[in-house]
Amino acid sequence: DADVTQTPRNRITKTGKRIMLECSQTKGHDRMYWYRQDPGLGLRLIYYSFDVKDINKGEISDGYSVSRQAQAKFSLSLESAIPNQTALYFCATSASGSGQPQHFGDGTRLSIL
Amino acid sequence: SQQGEEDPQALSIQEGENATMNCSYKTSINNLQWYRQNSGRGLVHLILIRSNEREKHSGRLRVTLDTSKKSSSLLITASRAADTASYFCATDAVDTGRRALTFGSGTRLQVQP
Repeated sequence: DADVTQTPRNRITKTGKRIMLECSQTKGHDRMYWYRQDPGLGLRLIYYSFDVKDINKGEISDGYSVSRQAQAKFSLSLESAIPNQTALYFCATSASGSGQPQHFGDGTRLSIL
Repeated sequence: SQQGEEDPQALSIQEGENATMNCSYKTSINNLQWYRQNSGRGLVHLILIRSNEREKHSGRLRVTLDTSKKSSSLLITASRAADTASYFCATDAVDTGRRALTFGSGTRLQVQP
């Protein structure tokens, strides 16, 4: 089984809909992250959480919200989806401390029509 | 522009040749990491180099870091078709208030069999 699991893997939805992307991990890591990837722009950080009671905005948090339901679960919501939120979304985890590698899920491909 | 910028954006070589990718960044760092992404998959951590290190090896990978020039390079020796992927550098900046990695836009490597 994958250490970092994202659901769904693909989603097509309409403008204005509320969408939740879920991430769960079995690595026992405290830190979890949400990124989006657009062609040619690399990964951009949306939100991150260093433990269950810690939520931090990344560089592109507008239009998104997150919930850290447990150490193993970190969900990303799009409150009212718009077409320019069409992208590939990745969840990642890492152990605490500087220099820890991040471990990624296989992504959710989201299309908003 | 982003903290980490890779160069070139795309690289095509023949199997057996060496591939060199470069990364430049703007602020002081604690460490720099390189990741690989196969098409349609999440990123996979390859190697980390700390700010007080100048060179590091892992199998066919060689990473260098020049903090005076704020640049790093990733060399893949004796490339194989299976090395075809996108490669990203990620920086862990020193005390900018940002407590997460910053990813560059990546180099797409194509290794022709």
